[in-house]
Amino acid sequence: KQEVTQIPAALSVPEGENLVLNCSFTDSAIYNLQWFRQDPGKGLTSLLLIQSSQREQTSGRLNASLDKSSGRSTLYIAASQPGDSATYLCAVKLGGGSNYKLTFGKGTLLTVNP
Amino acid sequence: DTEVTQTPKHLVMGMTNKKSLKCEQHMGHRAMYWYKQKAKKPPELMFVYSYEKLSINESVPSRFSPECPNSSLLNLHLHALQPEDSALYLCASSQGLAGEQYFGPGTRLTVT
Repeated sequence: KQEVTQIPAALSVPEGENLVLNCSFTDSAIYNLQWFRQDPGKGLTSLLLIQSSQREQTSGRLNASLDKSSGRSTLYIAASQPGDSATYLCAVKLGGGSNYKLTFGKGTLLTVNP
Repeated sequence: DTEVTQTPKHLVMGMTNKKSLKCEQHMGHRAMYWYKQKAKKPPELMFVYSYEKLSINESVPSRFSPECPNSSLLNLHLHALQPEDSALYLCASSQGLAGEQYFGPGTRLTVT
């Protein structure tokens, strides 16, 4: 059974700092990995999708990497801003047949202080 | 347009009521999903539809009944719910089962 772990569970940083969020998964036979952002009481916003054949993806100040063999992904946020404060969720998708199911980590609660 | 819409935003219902949640997307996606999310927990998959056919049912109680009337719409019919069913219900869609998932804003359901 795929398990996804996110470390740290919570992180508080001053504005402007660069930071890294970590995600690890137990089954390396993933199809893709997706990073989401969730504001309190809101839906999930997709930030980046990395296919199993890719090593990294970038969008603006965000960079996500994937090391499938070691079962790890990182989300790098450059020059953090108070508006980045949210819960960040990592989710992996296993392939095979029709069971393309997303397995989520418990998330990292990020607070960026002005 | 990468928007998934959900109605209503909030719903309060008694344990004897029947209500429905609605989800809509116009991205031409052929896979649609229902998730349940409790406070401070990650989303839990409930149902997956692919090409308007139920593909995955994660052993959800029968008081939750999904329906996919066409490729753009997904409904979740609710009947005889319990207070522990109170949660944020999220809908998502993707191009196919393997594609990037896009989520709606959710419906906050309270069962009294």
